[in-house]
Amino acid sequence: KAGVTQTPRYLIKTRGQQVTLSCSPISGHRSVSWYQQTPGQGLQFLFEYFSETQRNKGNFPGRFSGRQFSNSRSEMNVSTLELGDSALYLCASSGLAEETQYFGPGTRLLVL
Amino acid sequence: DAKTTQPNSMESNEEEPVHLPCNHSTISGTDYIHWYRQLPSQGPEYVIHGLTSNVNNRMASLAIAEDRKSSTLILHRATLRDAAVYYCILRPPRNTGNQFYFGTGTSLTVIP
Repeated sequence: KAGVTQTPRYLIKTRGQQVTLSCSPISGHRSVSWYQQTPGQGLQFLFEYFSETQRNKGNFPGRFSGRQFSNSRSEMNVSTLELGDSALYLCASSGLAEETQYFGPGTRLLVL
Repeated sequence: DAKTTQPNSMESNEEEPVHLPCNHSTISGTDYIHWYRQLPSQGPEYVIHGLTSNVNNRMASLAIAEDRKSSTLILHRATLRDAAVYYCILRPPRNTGNQFYFGTGTSLTVIP
């Protein structure tokens, strides 16, 4: 079974722009979670989508948003980018009967 | 958010056992204990999880204290490929969502 895929893998943007990242979960998985990883803050939970609905949200400003489509693919959007948004953005999927999450390789975003 | 405490770093000689400790004194009765590891330039990877009893799988063993306030991940024979950051995570019941709250983790160095 194919793993979690994320596109693009690398991205460079400038302050004030907006960005959309994409995540395709493992086939059959309906839960998709997003995380931000920075050297200073470590891995932080952004939000989780399950069956097209946001089920949980971390402590991030409203500039960070997401959505999930009927095929379980998910996107996250960051508007009005700031330098501090430079990070590795990870997505993870999970099946209904599984305790574990399966992480993708991440999208590395650099904001200049 | 349930908190875990881990040493920042540990070293081990190749082919020797490694015991990675984790304290989680605020664990609730329904929290599962999960361990993930993150190799350089990759997303986190599931290692093992448990609730109350000790657990074994092909990658590692998980020893859980009787009061569940601490646990230890055991790698039976460390290899160079085990060099990674190991995260101990408390996971609430699955029906409340798939949000993981990562701590700072333990960076394991394996010495040839």
